[in-house]
Amino acid sequence: DAKTTQPPSMDCAEGRAANLPCNHSTISGNEYVYWYRQIHSQGPQYIIHGLKNNETNEMASLIITEDRKSSTLILPHATLRDTAVYYCIVRPIYNQGGKLIFGQGTELSVKP
Amino acid sequence: EAQVTQNPRYLITVTGKKLTVTCSQNMNHEYMSWYRQDPGLGLRQIYYSMNVEVTDKGDVPEGYKVSRKEKRNFPLILESPSPNQTSLYFCASSLSRSGYGYTFGSGTRLTVV
Repeated sequence: DAKTTQPPSMDCAEGRAANLPCNHSTISGNEYVYWYRQIHSQGPQYIIHGLKNNETNEMASLIITEDRKSSTLILPHATLRDTAVYYCIVRPIYNQGGKLIFGQGTELSVKP
Repeated sequence: EAQVTQNPRYLITVTGKKLTVTCSQNMNHEYMSWYRQDPGLGLRQIYYSMNVEVTDKGDVPEGYKVSRKEKRNFPLILESPSPNQTSLYFCASSLSRSGYGYTFGSGTRLTVV
């Protein structure tokens, strides 16, 4: 599975958009980009995933660059409850054991 | 409500006393998996199951057993717990091992003294 690089921490004002970047320059053609978040020792929560097209759901939008070497998760109107560690994970559609490899993630603090 | 339920949430036990952490999902998911989370090491996969009666080792299976007799349940068994198994454990499930997001349980914080 390709390696990802994320900033260790970010701040965002409540009500503003939170843009979380992820670099995955070694991504290969069959690898998807997944985003999860973990709120203070709770179970990780799936947010969104994509292959090469931009994706949007009720939680967030995922923007993947044309060369697929980086992506951005956008929380359009961040709230205090969005304070969490956000993980960008790159993995092929099939991998051994279906496992997710969580890196260090980005600790997002949403401030009033 | 679609969910993965783990029990217990917290457990303190003594070395060598067998214990089972239960995991149950109500989404008819085929794939289930166990992870442990430790500071500085992130989440690591212990075991996984593709379907009923199909289980396999993840990255850190030593000291653990699992079973998958029914689709909804995937218990984690520690036959002889040791202090190095003190950790935060998560169960996860998905329609399959590929292409879908995983639903995680709320976690079980285990302390072995």
